[in-house]
Amino acid sequence: GAVVSQHPSWVICKSGTSVKIECRSLDFQATTMFWYRQFPKQSLMLMATSNEGSKATYEQGVEKDKFLINHASLTLSTLTVTSAHPEDSSFYICSAVSGRNTGELFFGEGSRLTVL
Amino acid sequence: DAKTTQPNSMESNEEEPVHLPCNHSTISGTDYIHWYRQLPSQGPEYVIHGLTSNVNNRMASLAIAEDRKSSTLILHRATLRDAAVYYCIPSSGTYKYIFGTGTRLKVLA
Repeated sequence: GAVVSQHPSWVICKSGTSVKIECRSLDFQATTMFWYRQFPKQSLMLMATSNEGSKATYEQGVEKDKFLINHASLTLSTLTVTSAHPEDSSFYICSAVSGRNTGELFFGEGSRLTVL
Repeated sequence: DAKTTQPNSMESNEEEPVHLPCNHSTISGTDYIHWYRQLPSQGPEYVIHGLTSNVNNRMASLAIAEDRKSSTLILHRATLRDAAVYYCIPSSGTYKYIFGTGTRLKVLA
Protein backbone atom coordinates (compact mmCIF):
# COMPACT_ATOMS: atom_id res chain seq x y z
CA GLY A 1 0.00 0.00 0.00
CA ALA A 2 0.92 3.64 -0.23
CA VAL A 3 3.19 5.09 2.43
CA VAL A 4 2.76 8.30 4.36
CA SER A 5 5.57 9.34 6.66
CA GLN A 6 5.63 11.93 9.41
CA HIS A 7 8.63 13.63 10.94
CA PRO A 8 9.47 13.96 13.72
CA SER A 9 7.72 11.04 15.37
CA TRP A 10 8.07 12.78 18.69
CA VAL A 11 9.21 16.21 19.81
CA ILE A 12 9.60 18.01 23.11
CA CYS A 13 9.74 21.79 23.13
CA LYS A 14 9.60 24.69 25.54
CA SER A 15 6.51 26.78 25.92
CA GLY A 16 6.47 29.70 23.49
CA THR A 17 8.48 28.06 20.75
CA SER A 18 7.18 26.92 17.37
CA VAL A 19 7.30 23.36 16.14
CA LYS A 20 7.03 22.10 12.56
CA ILE A 21 5.73 18.64 11.71
CA GLU A 22 6.18 17.25 8.22
CA CYS A 23 3.90 14.84 6.40
CA ARG A 24 5.22 13.20 3.24
CA SER A 25 3.61 10.85 0.77
CA LEU A 26 6.55 8.65 -0.20
CA ASP A 27 5.31 6.82 -3.27
CA PHE A 28 2.40 8.83 -4.59
CA GLN A 29 1.32 12.39 -5.17
CA ALA A 30 -1.26 13.74 -2.79
CA THR A 31 -3.27 16.75 -3.83
CA THR A 32 -5.16 16.58 -0.56
CA MET A 33 -3.91 15.88 2.94
CA PHE A 34 -5.68 16.07 6.26
CA TRP A 35 -4.39 16.91 9.71
CA TYR A 36 -5.82 15.45 12.91
CA ARG A 37 -4.99 15.77 16.57
CA GLN A 38 -5.67 13.18 19.21
CA PHE A 39 -5.61 13.55 22.98
CA PRO A 40 -4.96 10.51 25.20
CA LYS A 41 -7.84 8.02 25.29
CA GLN A 42 -9.81 10.13 22.81
CA SER A 43 -10.67 9.84 19.16
CA LEU A 44 -9.07 11.68 16.27
CA MET A 45 -10.28 15.22 15.72
CA LEU A 46 -10.03 16.67 12.22
CA MET A 47 -8.18 19.98 12.28
CA ALA A 48 -7.89 20.98 8.64
CA THR A 49 -7.85 19.97 5.01
CA SER A 50 -4.67 20.80 3.15
CA ASN A 51 -4.79 21.22 -0.62
CA GLU A 52 -1.65 21.54 -2.72
CA GLY A 53 -1.09 25.08 -3.88
CA SER A 54 -3.94 26.65 -1.96
CA LYS A 55 -4.82 27.72 1.55
CA ALA A 56 -5.85 25.09 4.04
CA THR A 57 -9.46 24.79 5.14
CA TYR A 58 -9.76 24.70 8.90
CA GLU A 59 -12.47 23.03 10.93
CA GLN A 60 -14.59 25.11 13.24
CA GLY A 61 -12.79 25.97 16.44
CA VAL A 62 -9.28 25.41 15.07
CA GLU A 63 -7.15 28.56 15.12
CA LYS A 64 -5.53 28.99 11.73
CA ASP A 65 -2.94 31.43 13.09
CA LYS A 66 -1.99 28.91 15.74
CA PHE A 67 -1.76 25.91 13.46
CA LEU A 68 -0.12 26.96 10.21
CA ILE A 69 -0.49 24.49 7.37
CA ASN A 70 1.52 24.61 4.18
CA HIS A 71 1.10 22.21 1.25
CA ALA A 72 3.71 23.49 -1.16
CA SER A 73 4.23 20.30 -3.14
CA LEU A 74 2.29 17.19 -4.08
CA THR A 75 4.26 15.10 -1.60
CA LEU A 76 4.68 17.37 1.40
CA SER A 77 2.40 19.13 3.85
CA THR A 78 3.65 20.78 7.01
CA LEU A 79 1.89 21.72 10.23
CA THR A 80 3.52 24.39 12.36
CA VAL A 81 2.31 24.83 15.90
CA THR A 82 3.16 28.43 16.69
CA SER A 83 3.93 29.69 20.17
CA ALA A 84 3.22 26.26 21.58
CA HIS A 85 1.79 25.88 25.08
CA PRO A 86 1.32 22.79 27.25
CA GLU A 87 -2.31 22.48 26.16
CA ASP A 88 -1.05 21.96 22.58
CA SER A 89 0.61 18.73 23.69
CA SER A 90 -1.05 16.04 21.64
CA PHE A 91 -0.63 13.32 19.03
CA TYR A 92 -0.80 14.89 15.56
CA ILE A 93 -1.65 12.64 12.63
CA CYS A 94 -1.75 13.39 8.92
CA SER A 95 -3.42 11.50 6.13
CA ALA A 96 -3.15 11.68 2.37
CA VAL A 97 -5.41 10.90 -0.56
CA SER A 98 -3.59 8.87 -3.20
CA GLY A 99 -5.83 9.67 -6.12
CA ARG A 100 -6.06 6.01 -7.08
CA ASN A 101 -9.71 5.95 -6.04
CA THR A 102 -9.23 2.83 -3.98
CA GLY A 103 -11.45 4.09 -1.18
CA GLU A 104 -8.48 3.98 1.14
CA LEU A 105 -7.05 6.95 3.01
CA PHE A 106 -3.42 6.59 4.04
CA PHE A 107 -2.31 7.77 7.45
CA GLY A 108 1.07 8.71 8.81
CA GLU A 109 2.50 7.17 11.96
CA GLY A 110 1.70 10.24 14.00
CA SER A 111 3.85 12.84 15.77
CA ARG A 112 3.72 13.21 19.51
CA LEU A 113 4.25 16.77 20.69
CA THR A 114 5.03 17.53 24.31
CA VAL A 115 5.23 21.18 25.33
CA LEU A 116 6.95 21.84 28.65
CA ASP B 1 -21.93 13.71 8.30
CA ALA B 2 -23.58 10.52 9.46
CA LYS B 3 -23.35 9.87 13.19
CA THR B 4 -22.07 6.48 14.30
CA THR B 5 -22.63 4.46 17.43
CA GLN B 6 -20.21 1.73 18.44
CA PRO B 7 -19.70 -0.16 21.70
CA ASN B 8 -16.95 1.45 23.75
CA SER B 9 -15.14 -1.82 24.22
CA MET B 10 -15.29 -5.51 23.42
CA GLU B 11 -13.30 -8.56 24.38
CA SER B 12 -12.48 -11.66 22.43
CA ASN B 13 -10.48 -14.78 23.00
CA GLU B 14 -7.57 -15.41 20.71
CA GLU B 15 -8.40 -17.51 17.64
CA GLU B 16 -12.11 -16.80 18.09
CA PRO B 17 -14.22 -14.77 15.62
CA VAL B 18 -15.11 -11.20 16.57
CA HIS B 19 -18.12 -9.25 15.39
CA LEU B 20 -17.78 -5.49 15.82
CA PRO B 21 -21.08 -3.66 15.27
CA CYS B 22 -21.65 -0.11 14.11
CA ASN B 23 -24.89 1.79 13.89
CA HIS B 24 -25.04 4.54 11.26
CA SER B 25 -28.75 5.15 10.92
CA THR B 26 -28.34 8.62 9.37
CA ILE B 27 -26.09 7.43 6.55
CA SER B 28 -26.81 8.94 3.14
CA GLY B 29 -27.39 6.89 0.03
CA THR B 30 -23.99 7.68 -1.45
CA ASP B 31 -21.89 7.13 1.67
CA TYR B 32 -19.48 4.26 1.71
CA ILE B 33 -18.85 2.57 5.05
CA HIS B 34 -15.18 2.53 5.93
CA TRP B 35 -13.51 0.69 8.77
CA TYR B 36 -10.15 1.67 10.15
CA ARG B 37 -8.27 0.51 13.18
CA GLN B 38 -5.68 2.22 15.31
CA LEU B 39 -3.03 0.37 17.24
CA PRO B 40 -1.54 2.11 20.27
CA SER B 41 0.62 5.14 19.41
CA GLN B 42 0.12 4.67 15.67
CA GLY B 43 -1.90 6.28 12.92
CA PRO B 44 -5.09 4.57 11.77
CA GLU B 45 -4.86 1.67 9.35
CA TYR B 46 -7.36 0.81 6.65
CA VAL B 47 -9.32 -2.39 7.21
CA ILE B 48 -12.15 -2.58 4.71
CA HIS B 49 -14.92 -0.59 3.09
CA GLY B 50 -18.19 -1.23 1.26
CA LEU B 51 -21.34 0.36 -0.09
CA THR B 52 -24.18 -2.16 -0.13
CA SER B 53 -22.88 -5.67 -0.63
CA ASN B 54 -20.92 -7.64 1.89
CA VAL B 55 -17.17 -7.41 1.33
CA ASN B 56 -14.26 -9.69 2.12
CA ASN B 57 -10.52 -9.09 2.10
CA ARG B 58 -7.53 -10.71 3.69
CA MET B 59 -7.99 -8.80 6.93
CA ALA B 60 -11.71 -9.02 7.56
CA SER B 61 -15.25 -9.22 6.28
CA LEU B 62 -17.82 -6.47 6.27
CA ALA B 63 -21.49 -7.29 6.58
CA ILE B 64 -23.81 -4.42 5.68
CA ALA B 65 -27.45 -4.46 6.69
CA GLU B 66 -29.97 -4.34 3.89
CA ASP B 67 -31.21 -0.91 5.01
CA ARG B 68 -27.58 0.20 5.40
CA LYS B 69 -28.27 1.63 8.83
CA SER B 70 -25.79 -0.69 10.45
CA SER B 71 -22.78 -2.79 9.60
CA THR B 72 -20.62 -5.39 11.28
CA LEU B 73 -16.89 -5.89 10.93
CA ILE B 74 -15.95 -9.52 11.26
CA LEU B 75 -12.50 -10.68 12.22
CA HIS B 76 -12.59 -14.39 11.55
CA ARG B 77 -9.83 -15.40 13.96
CA ALA B 78 -8.71 -12.72 16.36
CA THR B 79 -5.03 -12.56 17.20
CA LEU B 80 -3.23 -10.50 19.81
CA ARG B 81 -2.11 -8.17 17.02
CA ASP B 82 -5.75 -7.31 16.34
CA ALA B 83 -6.04 -5.50 19.67
CA ALA B 84 -6.81 -1.95 18.62
CA VAL B 85 -9.50 0.70 18.47
CA TYR B 86 -11.81 0.06 15.51
CA TYR B 87 -13.63 2.93 13.86
CA CYS B 88 -16.49 2.78 11.37
CA ILE B 89 -16.72 5.89 9.22
CA PRO B 90 -19.46 6.65 6.69
CA SER B 91 -18.06 8.87 3.97
CA SER B 92 -19.27 10.11 0.63
CA GLY B 93 -15.91 9.88 -1.10
CA THR B 94 -14.38 13.18 -0.09
CA TYR B 95 -12.02 11.32 2.25
CA LYS B 96 -12.80 13.93 4.88
CA TYR B 97 -13.24 11.36 7.62
CA ILE B 98 -14.90 12.23 10.88
CA PHE B 99 -13.93 9.73 13.53
CA GLY B 100 -16.37 8.64 16.23
CA THR B 101 -15.36 7.13 19.52
CA GLY B 102 -14.68 3.66 18.11
CA THR B 103 -14.58 0.28 19.81
CA ARG B 104 -11.56 -0.76 21.80
CA LEU B 105 -11.00 -4.46 21.14
CA LYS B 106 -9.15 -6.47 23.72
CA VAL B 107 -7.93 -9.90 22.68
CA LEU B 108 -7.32 -12.40 25.46
CA ALA B 109 -4.61 -15.00 25.09
